[in-house]
Amino acid sequence: AQSVTQLGSHVSVSEGALVLLRCNYSSSVPPYLFWYVQYPNQGLQLLLKYTTGATLVKGINGFEAEFKKSETSFHLTKPSAHMSDAAEYFCAVTSVDQTGANNLFFGTGTRLTVIP
Amino acid sequence: DTGVSQNPRHKITKRGQNVTFRCDPISEHNRLYWYRQTLGQGPEFLTYFQNEAQLEKSRLLSDRFSAERPKGSFSTLEIQRTEQGDSAMYLCASSPERTAYGYTFGSGTRLTVV
Repeated sequence: AQSVTQLGSHVSVSEGALVLLRCNYSSSVPPYLFWYVQYPNQGLQLLLKYTTGATLVKGINGFEAEFKKSETSFHLTKPSAHMSDAAEYFCAVTSVDQTGANNLFFGTGTRLTVIP
Repeated sequence: DTGVSQNPRHKITKRGQNVTFRCDPISEHNRLYWYRQTLGQGPEFLTYFQNEAQLEKSRLLSDRFSAERPKGSFSTLEIQRTEQGDSAMYLCASSPERTAYGYTFGSGTRLTVV
């Protein structure tokens, strides 16, 4: 079974400050991990993903995340928050087997507010 | 390719009516997924297709829900006898087979049952 826990349903940061959104996963098989961003009344946009290889992955809009197997974590960070980063962020996990990629399991999301 | 397209974007219906949503995936993607997202929650898996075959259905997909993907191209999700609890955003995503390069999501259909 796979699941994701996002700590903190709401996070507020000042413009220019560090953004840290937390994600812990549970998976009985090697996970594939994703971060998605969702703006109001929009679908989900992929920020970044970890499949295999380098554990520090860089995504769009200056975001990055580090896969830490020992901590079962995949936290999302950005050095300097911008007003346009205000949105809902979802962490998701899946696995890949011989039949291909399986279903995504999402966390409950973290709403990021950026204070001017 | 314009990505995953969903229609309509918004649907308001009276309780008890039937509604149908459409999803057009990225043309070369074999897999198509339907998710439901309620307010303040992450998307929850409903069902997925590989080509025209419906391979898995969530227990969330009650008998009032049916999904099809004729000819392995676009997909439709129908909800019969809608209830207020069906009010949600319905998201469609597609992905290539045998890869986890990321699922591409559509903009969703927001259903409001009054």
